[in-house]
Amino acid sequence: DTEVTQTPKHLVMGMTNKKSLKCEQHMGHRAMYWYKQKAKKPPELMFVYSYEKLSINESVPSRFSPECPNSSLLNLHLHALQPEDSALYLCASSHGQGGSYNEQFFGPGTRLTVL
Amino acid sequence: AQSVTQLGSHVSVSEGALVLLRCNYSSSVPPYLFWYVQYPNQGLQLLLKYTTGATLVKGINGFEAEFKKSETSFHLTKPSAHMSDAAEYFCAVTLSGGYNKLIFGAGTRLAVHP
Repeated sequence: DTEVTQTPKHLVMGMTNKKSLKCEQHMGHRAMYWYKQKAKKPPELMFVYSYEKLSINESVPSRFSPECPNSSLLNLHLHALQPEDSALYLCASSHGQGGSYNEQFFGPGTRLTVL
Repeated sequence: AQSVTQLGSHVSVSEGALVLLRCNYSSSVPPYLFWYVQYPNQGLQLLLKYTTGATLVKGINGFEAEFKKSETSFHLTKPSAHMSDAAEYFCAVTLSGGYNKLIFGAGTRLAVHP
């Protein structure tokens, strides 16, 4: 299995809602990532988990809360979002830190709309 | 600090013509370089990567890229464009070792005309 899966594919939420995005991989990768991508822009890194520990938080607002329950799963919990948070949220995974195995595999993304 | 510059936000070619998408990087140490493609409403798919070794890298779908250290470039080429190549292309760089923080270029939208 060489795939990163993300659910849901689309999500519409109000500013007072709490929702979660889910990402899963079964490639044995030990690093997982969340990216945010606005229209016509490149992906922007939000968080990196390495061996299930948060390694990088790119100064993301606390209304985004990541969680890595195990080496195959990555969640992004959303609460009190703003309309400007509407974007495509991409999950990625890679073998681990550094070395030659740092190719990142991306999921199809979750299209989030905040009303 | 690392950075990536993609020259040309839009490139338009005719079907069957050469595709050339330009990427220049800035890095104080030898980088790892990647080209990703993104089709509408989809995630990113890796086309090819340069880590070490051979400077001419062949990827999927007939694409290739050449790492030129002297020019700090990693341009993407394909001899003959297909309609299905129309997409957004991102060049990205990361440092060898350390955290895998990918730095993306702004992207180039490739249009292919019949």
